[in-house]
Amino acid sequence: SSELTQDPAVSVALGQTVRITCQGDSLRSYYASWYQQKPGQAPVLVIYGKNNRPSGIPDRFSGSSSGNTASLTITGAQAEDEADYYCNSRDSSGSVVFGGGTKLTVL
Amino acid sequence: QVQLQESGPGLVKPSETLSLTCTVSGGSISSYYWSWIRQPAGKGLEWIGRIYTSGSTNYNPSLKSRVTMSVDTSKNQFSLKLSSVTAADTAVYYCARDQVGAKDDAFDIWGQGTMVTVSS
Repeated sequence: SSELTQDPAVSVALGQTVRITCQGDSLRSYYASWYQQKPGQAPVLVIYGKNNRPSGIPDRFSGSSSGNTASLTITGAQAEDEADYYCNSRDSSGSVVFGGGTKLTVL
Repeated sequence: QVQLQESGPGLVKPSETLSLTCTVSGGSISSYYWSWIRQPAGKGLEWIGRIYTSGSTNYNPSLKSRVTMSVDTSKNQFSLKLSSVTAADTAVYYCARDQVGAKDDAFDIWGQGTMVTVSS
């Protein structure tokens, strides 16, 4: 099955903008969805489709895609955004694949 | 609002079968896809498979030989069986609603997760 690659760790200064990326061949055909996971909690969907936010997700979260890379952008990062972020997509066989996750630190 | 709750044994012996059930409350299980996802301690997420309320399934190729999923619409529940478990199957197991689109899969509702340890 296809793989999705994420940087293991990213940091951002409070109030600044950060981009978290997800790379994989399947992203040329399918959109990535993005999840935020805080310690001891289940993941929460923050972006899906072309660039859609579920109800209750702040508009500082946005998604984009180009070629084999999908990106999650947080514009004006807040302390509460510190978490692990995962992308997922679908591969050509119809299976779901997750990226390895990115640990975001807000400085 | 729709909520999911996993249930099942927290300890399974090696070579035995792990069995978990996810109960859907606050809404109908019908006409949706439902997935199982697991996460070993300190590691990332791994998709195990999905089931539609018709009973149609898709499994992760790496686990396919050991996985069976089923659905009971009368009880608003779906279930996971993973056979011949080893220590590598020790993880938090999540059930989730899988919004299968034409070009994406989005897990919009998750259970709280249940820890399953494989040990004798």
